[in-house]
Amino acid sequence: AIQMTQSPSSLSASVGDRVTITCRASQGIRNDLGWYQQKPGKAPKLLIYAASSLQSGVPSRFSGSGSGTDFTLTISSLQPEDFATYYCLQDYNYPFTFGPGTKVDIK
Amino acid sequence: EVQLVESGGGLVQPGGSLRLSCAASGFTFSSYWMHWVRQAPGKGLVWVSRINSDGSSTSYADSVKGRFTISRDNAKNTLYLQMNSLRAEDTAVYYCARDLSGPTDVWGQGTTVTVSS
Repeated sequence: AIQMTQSPSSLSASVGDRVTITCRASQGIRNDLGWYQQKPGKAPKLLIYAASSLQSGVPSRFSGSGSGTDFTLTISSLQPEDFATYYCLQDYNYPFTFGPGTKVDIK
Repeated sequence: EVQLVESGGGLVQPGGSLRLSCAASGFTFSSYWMHWVRQAPGKGLVWVSRINSDGSSTSYADSVKGRFTISRDNAKNTLYLQMNSLRAEDTAVYYCARDLSGPTDVWGQGTTVTVSS
C-alpha cells in the first residue's frame, strides 16, 4: 500500500497568516491527491481534488499544488473558521490511504 | 439537498457482526461509486472500502478484507457495510461517502461502532 506522510503534524498560527502543509507519497501518484478539512465531531470536507482543483464552494484562499510524490496545501490568509485538522488522501490506487493529519490551532 | 445518512451502529461483542446502512438522497445514487471510511476515537481517517455504481466491483483495506462486505441496493438508494468477526480495533465512527472520480465529495454524519465485551 502507498504510505502518505504529512508535515508538520501540528502547527500554531494566527489569523491572517499564510499556512503551508506538505504531504508526501511513498511512490508516485500522478496528481491523484485530495485535501480534506475536519473539525471536531464533524465529517471531513473536501477542499482540493486532483492535487490543485478547488472543490465547489471552497474559498479561494485554499490552494493545492504538486504532482508525483510531493504535494502542498496552502491557506493564503488563515481565517478563524480554518482552525481544524487537515488530511491528504491518495486516490491513485487501492487501498486508498490518508495522511496522518495536520492540526492547525490558534497561536 | 444531497444527503447521506448512516445508521446501524452500536455496541457489539468481539467476534460479533453488525450491518451498517447509508441512505442517500438528493442525487442519482445509482450513478455514483461509494465508499466507507472510518475514524477510531482520537485518531485519523482510514479508508475501508468502495463499490462501483452497479455493485459489480469492490475493494477493501487489508485490515478488513475477508471480514467486511460492501454492497448496495440502487432501488432503495442505500449502501451497506456488513461487518463480521469484529475486533476491538474496529471501534470507530464509520462514514459513508460519495465518490468524485477518486476523492469523496459528500459525506454522511457517521455512525459509531463500539466493539467491547
